[in-house]
Amino acid sequence: NAGVTQTPKFQVLKTGQSMTLQCAQDMNHEYMSWYRQDPGMGLRLIHYSVGAGITDQGEVPNGYNVSRSTTEDFPLRLLSAAPSQTSVYFCASAGLGQGYGYTFGSGTRLTVV
Amino acid sequence: KNEVEQSPQNLTAQEGEFITINCSYSVGISALHWLQQHPGGGIVSLFMLSSGKKKHGRLIATINIQEKHSSLHITASHPRDSAVYICAVHYTGANSKLTFGKGITLSVRP
Repeated sequence: NAGVTQTPKFQVLKTGQSMTLQCAQDMNHEYMSWYRQDPGMGLRLIHYSVGAGITDQGEVPNGYNVSRSTTEDFPLRLLSAAPSQTSVYFCASAGLGQGYGYTFGSGTRLTVV
Repeated sequence: KNEVEQSPQNLTAQEGEFITINCSYSVGISALHWLQQHPGGGIVSLFMLSSGKKKHGRLIATINIQEKHSSLHITASHPRDSAVYICAVHYTGANSKLTFGKGITLSVRP
């Protein structure tokens, strides 16, 4: 089925560990983005990309890295996990510009202990 | 800072009731999205609109660009409509980036 595939669904990390959240889409969308969702707050943009080889920072980029080597994949790397990064993470993709709807991944619940 | 405000914060309704959820924003936008998130679940796009009104089943979304306001209506509400409803906007000039409201938690009682 076409859509956004996000893995893993759940992850527990120890403080200081690193990991990569995977995101892949098969809709040939130019735009891909990562968000974190915390209780009482709206979705906040971490990083985004408007095409292969192009990435930019969002609202809360510190502690995270991204790369976009292909149109399909947009992994999010946590360099040295901290308890403040405990959150639910969503990847989303869209066609470039405002005329296209968004498709979201199923989310990753990350706990940093 | 461009913001998206949603009201009410939480909403409880009885099955069958007509429900309205509101969203207001601060400056010009090119499009507005309504999203749905079930407890513990993923996020689904319900509507994207830049003017007027859209309808899908029991859901109706309207937008008034001049008043910078949108509403999501649910007719004949059902317990399966219980979810968080999120409004998000593309501010003019922001390309594909979205600014999100905090979401409204709707609970429909049988």
